[in-house]
Amino acid sequence: EAGVTQFPSHSVIEKGQTVTLRCDPISGHDNLYWYRRVMGKEIKFLLHFVKESKQDESGMPNNRFLAERTGGTYSTLKVQPAELEDSGVYFCASSQAPAGGAEFFGPGTRLTVL
Amino acid sequence: QKEVEQNSGPLSVPEGAIASLNCTYSDRVSQSFFWYRQYSGKSPELIMSIYSNGDKEDGRFTAQLNKASQYVSLLIRDSQPSDSATYLCAVNGGSNTGKLIFGQGTTLQVKP
Repeated sequence: EAGVTQFPSHSVIEKGQTVTLRCDPISGHDNLYWYRRVMGKEIKFLLHFVKESKQDESGMPNNRFLAERTGGTYSTLKVQPAELEDSGVYFCASSQAPAGGAEFFGPGTRLTVL
Repeated sequence: QKEVEQNSGPLSVPEGAIASLNCTYSDRVSQSFFWYRQYSGKSPELIMSIYSNGDKEDGRFTAQLNKASQYVSLLIRDSQPSDSATYLCAVNGGSNTGKLIFGQGTTLQVKP
């Protein structure tokens, strides 16, 4: 069974540009999460999808971040326009049960904003 | 005060010893607790979850939870060099929420 996959693995962009990150959860997992780890800090929650609906987006830092989950399958996280402080590793995770937390993490996308 | 606190380490133990990793949390309504292992440059891997006070054992790993003291720990018996990694404590707040609050992690070094 395939795990959580993320694309791209690395992205280097200039400040002010747009970047879109993609996550494919484990098949059948209704719960999809986005987390972010910036250098030297703990992993921080961004948002939680249940199928195609946003269950909790309390961790989204500002309106430059837009997450979508088309048809309850894969998810995208767009940052527009990117700022220097957006640099970090963006993890996607999925699980079957919401209260079980993020059971399976993807490999992450390392985003560098110059 | 951070919501989930861990000693960043490094915690160094000899091979075969018991490694004890500790975590405290601030939100009394937290109900679910998780330990993740993260190797350098890799993603977190869930190794233990615990929901009730007491001990939960899985192989060489034992998670301990004390809600009154807001304390959760992970014991690794017969530590191996392959256990060298960063161990992340995460807490799920409330019911029916998938949001996890992570600590900064404790780096464990197991020396042969």
